[in-house]
Amino acid sequence: QVQLQESGPGLVKPSETLSLTCNVSGASLSSGGYYWSWIRQPPGKGLEWIGYIHDSGNTNDSPSLERRVTISVDASKKQFFLNLKSVTAADTAVYYCARGSGYKYGYVFDFWGQGVLVTVSS
Amino acid sequence: SYELTQPPSVSVSPGQSATVSCSGDALGNKYVSWYQQRAGQSPQLMIYQNRKRPSGVPDRFSGSNSGNTATLTISVTQAMDEADYYCQAWDSSFWVFGGGTRLTVL
Repeated sequence: QVQLQESGPGLVKPSETLSLTCNVSGASLSSGGYYWSWIRQPPGKGLEWIGYIHDSGNTNDSPSLERRVTISVDASKKQFFLNLKSVTAADTAVYYCARGSGYKYGYVFDFWGQGVLVTVSS
Repeated sequence: SYELTQPPSVSVSPGQSATVSCSGDALGNKYVSWYQQRAGQSPQLMIYQNRKRPSGVPDRFSGSNSGNTATLTISVTQAMDEADYYCQAWDSSFWVFGGGTRLTVL
């Protein structure tokens, strides 16, 4: 069974960089054709896709985040990472990591982490 | 950028059928997934590839997708189905979510 678990600081100051780690068990981060993804949910609001790193190494992120996103991976440690720079209060959200399955399954997020709340405040 | 539109809320009586819609330009040409998010929990996949159910999802949940609208149907709705429901599609290498629909079981 695939399991994901987010970790990282719960409080980040405005203008600084938000950094999160997703620990994965039950799956390889370097094979299978999966999209290892980050998704967030501001308090009381809906889900917003942030970006992914494919196990080929390709990355992509949401244009709405204006190139503030970096997603990387350490497959040997079964971890992937999110860096979101120049944060503001609008970046306060629960951040989820998830596994995305590709065309064969219709581009779906089949496994999710529990989520971690990150608050941006001075 | 591609957008998916859902009604903010839907109400249903226990035992009745509930439908949640999701609209987008030529959505019928894309695969749509549906997620259930109960209060305080992570989203859970309920439907993928428009109408397929993952193992463990009750067959009360069904999906369809045609034209510009995808639909999630919950037959014989139960109190435990009260949750937020999100549709999701993939467009030009971007993953897109609808704004979510709160299903209230009255």
